[in-house]
Amino acid sequence: GQQLNQSPQSMFIQEGEDVSMNCTSSSIFNTWLWYKQDPGEGPVLLIALYKAGELTSNGRLTAQFGITRKDSFLNISASIPSDVGIYFCAGHNSGGSNYKLTFGKGTLLTVNP
Amino acid sequence: KAGVTQTPRYLIKTRGQQVTLSCSPISGHRSVSWYQQTPGQGLQFLFEYFSETQRNKGNFPGRFSGRQFSNSRSEMNVSTLELGDSALYLCASLRGPNTGELFFGEGSRLTVL
Repeated sequence: GQQLNQSPQSMFIQEGEDVSMNCTSSSIFNTWLWYKQDPGEGPVLLIALYKAGELTSNGRLTAQFGITRKDSFLNISASIPSDVGIYFCAGHNSGGSNYKLTFGKGTLLTVNP
Repeated sequence: KAGVTQTPRYLIKTRGQQVTLSCSPISGHRSVSWYQQTPGQGLQFLFEYFSETQRNKGNFPGRFSGRQFSNSRSEMNVSTLELGDSALYLCASLRGPNTGELFFGEGSRLTVL
Protein backbone atom coordinates (compact mmCIF):
# COMPACT_ATOMS: atom_id res chain seq x y z
CA GLY A 1 0.00 0.00 0.00
CA GLN A 2 0.92 3.64 -0.13
CA GLN A 3 3.40 4.83 2.48
CA LEU A 4 4.59 8.28 3.41
CA ASN A 5 8.06 8.87 4.79
CA GLN A 6 8.15 11.97 6.92
CA SER A 7 11.35 13.51 8.24
CA PRO A 8 12.75 14.41 10.58
CA GLN A 9 11.01 12.40 13.28
CA SER A 10 11.72 15.12 15.82
CA MET A 11 13.27 18.54 16.05
CA PHE A 12 14.41 20.63 18.97
CA ILE A 13 14.95 24.28 18.08
CA GLN A 14 15.34 27.69 19.64
CA GLU A 15 12.55 30.24 19.47
CA GLY A 16 12.96 32.42 16.39
CA GLU A 17 14.57 29.74 14.25
CA ASP A 18 13.11 28.54 10.98
CA VAL A 19 11.99 24.92 10.62
CA SER A 20 11.69 22.67 7.63
CA MET A 21 10.17 19.20 7.38
CA ASN A 22 9.30 17.06 4.41
CA CYS A 23 7.36 14.09 3.24
CA THR A 24 8.01 11.66 0.40
CA SER A 25 5.85 8.96 -1.10
CA SER A 26 6.40 5.86 -3.17
CA SER A 27 3.40 6.83 -5.31
CA ILE A 28 1.78 10.03 -6.48
CA PHE A 29 -0.97 12.00 -4.76
CA ASN A 30 -3.36 14.56 -6.16
CA THR A 31 -3.55 16.45 -2.89
CA TRP A 32 -1.05 17.02 -0.11
CA LEU A 33 -2.13 18.27 3.30
CA TRP A 34 -0.34 19.31 6.46
CA TYR A 35 -1.85 18.94 9.92
CA LYS A 36 -0.73 19.93 13.42
CA GLN A 37 -1.70 18.03 16.53
CA ASP A 38 -1.44 19.40 20.05
CA PRO A 39 -1.37 17.03 23.03
CA GLY A 40 -4.80 15.62 23.82
CA GLU A 41 -6.35 17.14 20.70
CA GLY A 42 -7.22 16.00 17.21
CA PRO A 43 -5.14 17.06 14.19
CA VAL A 44 -5.91 20.51 12.81
CA LEU A 45 -5.60 21.25 9.11
CA LEU A 46 -2.89 23.83 8.37
CA ILE A 47 -2.49 23.84 4.60
CA ALA A 48 -3.93 21.93 1.63
CA LEU A 49 -2.13 21.77 -1.73
CA TYR A 50 -3.89 20.75 -4.95
CA LYS A 51 -1.51 21.35 -7.82
CA ALA A 52 1.98 20.04 -8.53
CA GLY A 53 4.49 22.81 -7.96
CA GLU A 54 2.03 24.83 -5.89
CA LEU A 55 3.50 26.95 -3.10
CA THR A 56 1.01 28.06 -0.43
CA SER A 57 1.43 30.16 2.69
CA ASN A 58 -0.61 30.43 5.85
CA GLY A 59 0.93 33.07 8.09
CA ARG A 60 4.40 31.90 9.05
CA LEU A 61 3.79 28.53 7.40
CA THR A 62 4.71 27.77 3.81
CA ALA A 63 4.15 24.45 2.08
CA GLN A 64 4.93 23.19 -1.39
CA PHE A 65 3.51 20.39 -3.51
CA GLY A 66 6.44 18.69 -5.21
CA ILE A 67 6.57 18.73 -9.00
CA THR A 68 6.70 14.93 -9.16
CA ARG A 69 3.58 14.75 -6.94
CA LYS A 70 5.50 12.37 -4.70
CA ASP A 71 6.70 14.85 -2.10
CA SER A 72 5.86 17.94 -0.12
CA PHE A 73 7.58 20.16 2.41
CA LEU A 74 6.47 22.47 5.19
CA ASN A 75 8.46 25.45 6.44
CA ILE A 76 7.77 27.39 9.62
CA SER A 77 9.50 30.74 9.89
CA ALA A 78 10.45 32.53 13.09
CA SER A 79 9.20 29.75 15.37
CA ILE A 80 7.39 30.59 18.61
CA PRO A 81 6.64 28.40 21.64
CA SER A 82 3.06 27.69 20.53
CA ASP A 83 4.41 25.98 17.40
CA VAL A 84 5.19 23.01 19.64
CA GLY A 85 3.32 19.90 18.57
CA ILE A 86 3.31 17.06 16.10
CA TYR A 87 3.11 17.91 12.42
CA PHE A 88 1.69 15.37 10.00
CA CYS A 89 1.75 15.27 6.25
CA ALA A 90 -1.04 13.46 4.43
CA GLY A 91 -1.73 12.46 0.87
CA HIS A 92 -5.06 12.10 -0.85
CA ASN A 93 -6.31 10.93 -4.24
CA SER A 94 -9.83 11.93 -5.16
CA GLY A 95 -12.19 9.84 -7.16
CA GLY A 96 -12.90 6.14 -7.27
CA SER A 97 -13.43 4.52 -3.90
CA ASN A 98 -10.42 6.08 -2.22
CA TYR A 99 -11.89 8.39 0.39
CA LYS A 100 -9.06 8.18 2.86
CA LEU A 101 -5.91 10.07 3.75
CA THR A 102 -2.55 8.38 4.05
CA PHE A 103 -0.56 9.96 6.88
CA GLY A 104 3.12 10.24 7.59
CA LYS A 105 4.35 9.24 11.06
CA GLY A 106 4.73 12.84 12.12
CA THR A 107 7.45 15.31 13.13
CA LEU A 108 7.57 16.22 16.82
CA LEU A 109 8.59 19.85 17.14
CA THR A 110 9.91 21.28 20.39
CA VAL A 111 10.64 24.99 20.65
CA ASN A 112 12.90 26.24 23.41
CA PRO A 113 11.91 29.75 24.53
CA LYS B 1 -20.11 26.51 13.03
CA ALA B 2 -19.67 23.69 15.52
CA GLY B 3 -16.75 21.37 14.90
CA VAL B 4 -16.66 17.60 14.93
CA THR B 5 -17.89 16.30 18.28
CA GLN B 6 -16.82 12.96 19.71
CA THR B 7 -18.07 11.20 22.81
CA PRO B 8 -16.91 9.98 25.19
CA ARG B 9 -13.51 11.71 25.43
CA TYR B 10 -12.02 9.09 27.72
CA LEU B 11 -12.98 5.57 28.64
CA ILE B 12 -11.46 2.55 30.29
CA LYS B 13 -12.49 -1.00 29.43
CA THR B 14 -11.23 -4.46 30.20
CA ARG B 15 -10.24 -7.17 27.75
CA GLY B 16 -13.18 -8.95 26.18
CA GLN B 17 -15.59 -6.06 26.60
CA GLN B 18 -17.01 -4.06 23.74
CA VAL B 19 -17.13 -0.31 23.22
CA THR B 20 -19.18 2.12 21.14
CA LEU B 21 -17.86 5.56 20.21
CA SER B 22 -19.96 8.36 18.79
CA CYS B 23 -19.24 11.16 16.33
CA SER B 24 -21.24 14.13 15.10
CA PRO B 25 -19.73 15.72 11.98
CA ILE B 26 -19.69 19.37 11.06
CA SER B 27 -23.15 20.47 9.97
CA GLY B 28 -23.56 19.87 6.25
CA HIS B 29 -20.68 17.40 5.99
CA ARG B 30 -21.97 14.02 4.89
CA SER B 31 -18.79 11.98 4.90
CA VAL B 32 -17.41 10.68 8.19
CA SER B 33 -14.12 8.84 8.58
CA TRP B 34 -12.59 7.05 11.55
CA TYR B 35 -8.88 6.73 12.31
CA GLN B 36 -6.97 4.92 15.01
CA GLN B 37 -3.89 6.68 16.40
CA THR B 38 -1.20 4.86 18.39
CA PRO B 39 2.39 5.84 19.13
CA GLY B 40 3.75 2.89 17.18
CA GLN B 41 1.53 2.87 14.10
CA GLY B 42 0.55 6.52 13.81
CA LEU B 43 -2.74 7.41 12.17
CA GLN B 44 -4.39 4.39 10.59
CA PHE B 45 -7.57 4.57 8.52
CA LEU B 46 -10.45 2.48 9.83
CA PHE B 47 -13.42 3.24 7.58
CA GLU B 48 -15.38 5.98 5.85
CA TYR B 49 -19.14 6.47 5.56
CA PHE B 50 -21.24 8.58 3.26
CA SER B 51 -25.03 8.67 3.23
CA GLU B 52 -25.20 5.71 5.62
CA THR B 53 -23.00 3.57 3.34
CA GLN B 54 -19.50 2.36 4.07
CA ARG B 55 -17.45 3.37 1.05
CA ASN B 56 -13.98 2.39 2.15
CA LYS B 57 -12.45 0.21 4.83
CA GLY B 58 -8.95 -0.08 6.21
CA ASN B 59 -7.04 -3.18 7.22
CA PHE B 60 -8.58 -3.85 10.59
CA PRO B 61 -10.18 -7.06 11.84
CA GLY B 62 -13.91 -7.58 11.77
CA ARG B 63 -14.10 -6.68 15.46
CA PHE B 64 -14.04 -3.08 14.30
CA SER B 65 -17.30 -1.94 12.78
CA GLY B 66 -19.18 1.25 12.23
CA ARG B 67 -22.34 2.77 10.94
CA GLN B 68 -23.77 6.11 9.93
CA PHE B 69 -27.24 7.43 10.57
CA SER B 70 -29.49 9.49 8.34
CA ASN B 71 -28.44 12.68 10.16
CA SER B 72 -24.78 11.88 9.28
CA ARG B 73 -23.88 11.07 12.87
CA SER B 74 -21.67 8.00 13.08
CA GLU B 75 -20.75 5.35 15.60
CA MET B 76 -17.95 2.86 15.67
CA ASN B 77 -17.90 -0.31 17.70
CA VAL B 78 -15.06 -2.53 18.81
CA SER B 79 -16.01 -5.94 20.15
CA THR B 80 -13.95 -8.38 22.21
CA LEU B 81 -11.44 -5.71 23.17
CA GLU B 82 -7.74 -6.54 23.23
CA LEU B 83 -4.93 -4.70 24.99
CA GLY B 84 -3.65 -3.53 21.62
CA ASP B 85 -6.88 -1.69 20.94
CA SER B 86 -5.81 0.99 23.40
CA ALA B 87 -5.54 4.10 21.25
CA LEU B 88 -6.93 7.50 20.41
CA TYR B 89 -9.88 7.05 18.03
CA LEU B 90 -10.40 10.03 15.83
CA CYS B 91 -13.44 10.90 13.79
CA ALA B 92 -13.25 13.34 10.91
CA SER B 93 -15.70 14.88 8.51
CA LEU B 94 -14.85 15.71 4.93
CA ARG B 95 -15.36 19.21 3.57
CA GLY B 96 -15.96 18.07 0.02
CA PRO B 97 -15.60 14.92 -2.08
CA ASN B 98 -12.53 16.02 -4.00
CA THR B 99 -10.72 18.09 -1.41
CA GLY B 100 -9.29 15.56 0.98
CA GLU B 101 -9.74 18.21 3.67
CA LEU B 102 -10.63 16.29 6.80
CA PHE B 103 -11.66 18.10 9.95
CA PHE B 104 -10.99 16.05 13.05
CA GLY B 105 -12.69 15.84 16.40
CA GLU B 106 -10.71 15.78 19.64
CA GLY B 107 -10.85 12.00 19.75
CA SER B 108 -11.91 9.32 22.17
CA ARG B 109 -9.06 7.95 24.28
CA LEU B 110 -9.65 4.24 24.89
CA THR B 111 -7.62 2.35 27.46
CA VAL B 112 -8.02 -1.42 27.61
CA LEU B 113 -6.84 -3.10 30.81
